Amino acid sequence: NAGVTQTPKFQVLKTGQSMTLQCAQDMNHEYMSWYRQDPGMGLRLIHYSVGAGITDQGEVPNGYNVSRSTTEDFPLRLLSAAPSQTSVYFCASSYLTSGGLSSYNEQFFGPGTRLTVL
Amino acid sequence: AQKITQTQPGMFVQEKEAVTLDCTYDTSDPSYGLFWYKQPSSGEMIFLIYQGSYDQQNATEGRYSLNFQKARKSANLVISASQLGDSAMYFCAFASNFGNEKLTFGTGTRLTIIP
Repeated sequence: NAGVTQTPKFQVLKTGQSMTLQCAQDMNHEYMSWYRQDPGMGLRLIHYSVGAGITDQGEVPNGYNVSRSTTEDFPLRLLSAAPSQTSVYFCASSYLTSGGLSSYNEQFFGPGTRLTVL
Repeated sequence: AQKITQTQPGMFVQEKEAVTLDCTYDTSDPSYGLFWYKQPSSGEMIFLIYQGSYDQQNATEGRYSLNFQKARKSANLVISASQLGDSAMYFCAFASNFGNEKLTFGTGTRLTIIP
């Protein structure tokens, strides 16, 4: 299993350009999420999906679009890049597992994409 | 909205000593889960341990244990017998309800193990 893969690893964009960050997982996980990590801050949820065809907004969705046409893929689109979107982007997939008295989603993270917007 | 607080931006610990990383949370949900992740300098996020709000016992995973004090709303990570490879950023994360895939992360603690 490759786990969660993200491409590209690094990207530099100019303000106003568009691009798609790719995320794929081969673990047949239902749940997939996109987070961004800025210096001095923890990860913040951008968008998430609970299954193919179903997506929803997280904490910081503005400026980003997602779609989930297959279980495996969950691309993140920047329609018009802004310097404020300079960040490291992590994709994660998860499945429900049991732990103690409760079930929880164990999230598996991709290696990240470092995006710089000039 | 839930809030996760990690008050230690950085910690230095001697190799082989135990270390406690603090995490407090603020929620009115009766059901929730707490996670700890490790992020080495290579950048990947590694899941360490989970504690559910109804779990009576503190979670343990090898050298990692979670000191869960529900009334104080704290979920501190304890690493026993620290090793040089433990040097990394450590993030506490919160999920409301069980099985919730949406995580809220703290700002992290940078742990440095001194040989």
